[in-house]
Formats: sequence, C-alpha cells, structure tokens
Amino acid sequence: GQSLEQPSEVTAVEGAIVQINCTYQTSGFYGLSWYQQHDGGAPTFLSYNALDGLEETGRFSSFLSRSDSYGYLLLQELQMKDSASYFCAVQVDNYGQNFVFGPGTRLSVLP
Amino acid sequence: EAQVTQNPRYLITVTGKKLTVTCSQNMNHEYMSWYRQDPGLGLRQIYYSMNVEVTDKGDVPEGYKVSRKEKRNFPLILESPSPNQTSLYFCASSKTENTGELFFGEGSRLTVL
Repeated sequence: GQSLEQPSEVTAVEGAIVQINCTYQTSGFYGLSWYQQHDGGAPTFLSYNALDGLEETGRFSSFLSRSDSYGYLLLQELQMKDSASYFCAVQVDNYGQNFVFGPGTRLSVLP
Repeated sequence: EAQVTQNPRYLITVTGKKLTVTCSQNMNHEYMSWYRQDPGLGLRQIYYSMNVEVTDKGDVPEGYKVSRKEKRNFPLILESPSPNQTSLYFCASSKTENTGELFFGEGSRLTVL
C-alpha cells in the first residue's frame, strides 16, 4: 500500500516559525510536493523537492531526505493569512501526473 | 488568465441520476486528472489522462468514468451516483515536465441524496 503521514493540526503565533513533517511509504518516489489550501478554496502549489536537501521560496522552505522517506515544510515569519491546510504529496510515477496525497495538516496562526 | 474551470461548482442530486462534471483548462497541458477530497483522507486520485484518448484509473475509480476527446477538456461522469460519492471534487492539470506542480480547478461540491 501507499501511505503518507502528517500531523493533523499545528498551532503557532504570528511571527513564529513552524515545521510540518511528512513521512511516506510509497511504491515509487519521484518527488515530494507541498500544497496550501484555504477553507473553501483549491489547493495551490508551494514547492517541490526531487532531490535531497532544502529548497527555499520566500518565507517557505521545503526539505527532503529520500533515505529517511521524510520531508518537511518550514514556514517562517508566520502571518494570519498562513492559516490553512497543508498537504504533502508524493509523485509516484515519472510522467508527472500520479500523486499520492497526505491527509493534510491544519495550521492555525494566532495573533 | 491561466486557469482550470470546473462546472458545476455545487450540485445536489439523487441516487441513480447520471451527472457530468466538466473540466476545462486553457494552459495547453497534456496531463489532466480528477481527485476527490474527503475529511481526513486528503485528495485521492480517481482518473488521470496523459493525453487525448489516453486515460487510466487512479486509486478510487469505482463508480466513475472519464473521457478525453480534446486536449483542453476532461469531464468526469457518474453514471449512477450513490451517496458514498458525496464529496468535493477537484480537476487538475499539469505540464509535461516534472515540476511537481498540479494546477487545480476551484472544486465541485457534490451531494448525492
């Protein structure tokens, strides 16, 4: 089977740093993506790691360790608008279309 | 504006009444797919298509059909909807290159009574 695990909820205050972890067990692995979804909205792409290491995009960074089947999304300088659900997704084929998503982590940012 | 458009956005129907959810993208993407989202389960892939006339099953295809007659369109068909298909549905498209990025439509909330 294929499974991804994420914490179900995380709470932090404005200005803080939060890390959302994702561990995976899948039949294939070609990359790890992260998506943000606000209530009532569509998932929007944040980052993608195909190789080990850290990718930085503004306040958001994503890390991957393929040997540990583990990745994380790091959000810095948290803002109220970052309150949303965050999903990790493993690309399980080399064609770029088959993704297995985690259950999502709901982030609440408090003033 | 680059976008994926789904219709209808909201639908309440009854068991057994065939329905189609349309999906169209204007980015000339080869790949398109359908996901359903249920609380606590994340997004699960229903069907995907790598190009015109090329479709394949995802993780939860039972009760659904798709077709890809044109590159831009990828409708999802529920021949005989049942209450367990009540869900939030998302269509997505992506480029050929492996960028890890799916472009999602705004979602279609379907309720089957």
